[in-house]
Amino acid sequence: KQEVTQIPAALSVPEGENLVLNCSFTDSAIYNLQWFRQDPGKGLTSLLLIQSSQREQTSGRLNASLDKSSGRSTLYIAASQPGDSATYLCAADNQAGTALIFGKGTTLSVSS
Amino acid sequence: SQTIHQWPATLVQPVGSPLSLECTVEGTSNPNLYWYRQAAGRGLQLLFYSVGIGQISSEVPQNLSASRPQDRQFILSSKKLLLSDSGFYLCAWSVESNTEAFFGQGTRLTVV
Repeated sequence: KQEVTQIPAALSVPEGENLVLNCSFTDSAIYNLQWFRQDPGKGLTSLLLIQSSQREQTSGRLNASLDKSSGRSTLYIAASQPGDSATYLCAADNQAGTALIFGKGTTLSVSS
Repeated sequence: SQTIHQWPATLVQPVGSPLSLECTVEGTSNPNLYWYRQAAGRGLQLLFYSVGIGQISSEVPQNLSASRPQDRQFILSSKKLLLSDSGFYLCAWSVESNTEAFFGQGTRLTVV
């Protein structure tokens, strides 16, 4: 059974700092790993999708990496801004490959 | 472009009352559809997924049911709500299994 863990649960940084969010998963036989952003009381916004054959994906100031063999993914945010404050969720496929299993998220607060 | 709609945005219902939450997707055909629940302090939990009309799979036993009467319509229901059904319900879609998932804005359900 796929399980996803995210560390840390919360993170506070000053504006401009580079930061890394961590995600680990127990079943390395995944098809995809997806990172989402969730603002308070809102739905999820897809940030990056990494396919199992890929090692990383980049979008603007965001870079996500995937190491299937160790069951880890990281989300790197460069030059953080107050607008980046949100909860970041990592999700990996379930064993059947039919849906996503989520971690509990990392709540990021960027102060100006 | 594809869009996903969920309604209502918020709902307060008494214990024992019925429930019907609706989700529709526009701009795509035969999507995979999902219902997730996000309870306070917990991660997103997959409730149901559907790969086609009338095809529903349940991930966890519960007081809820799902139906897919049309290709792009997914409904979450209950005959009698429990206090434990309170939470944030999110609908999602993907082109097919193991592809990027996109989420709606969610329904905040409070059972009183």
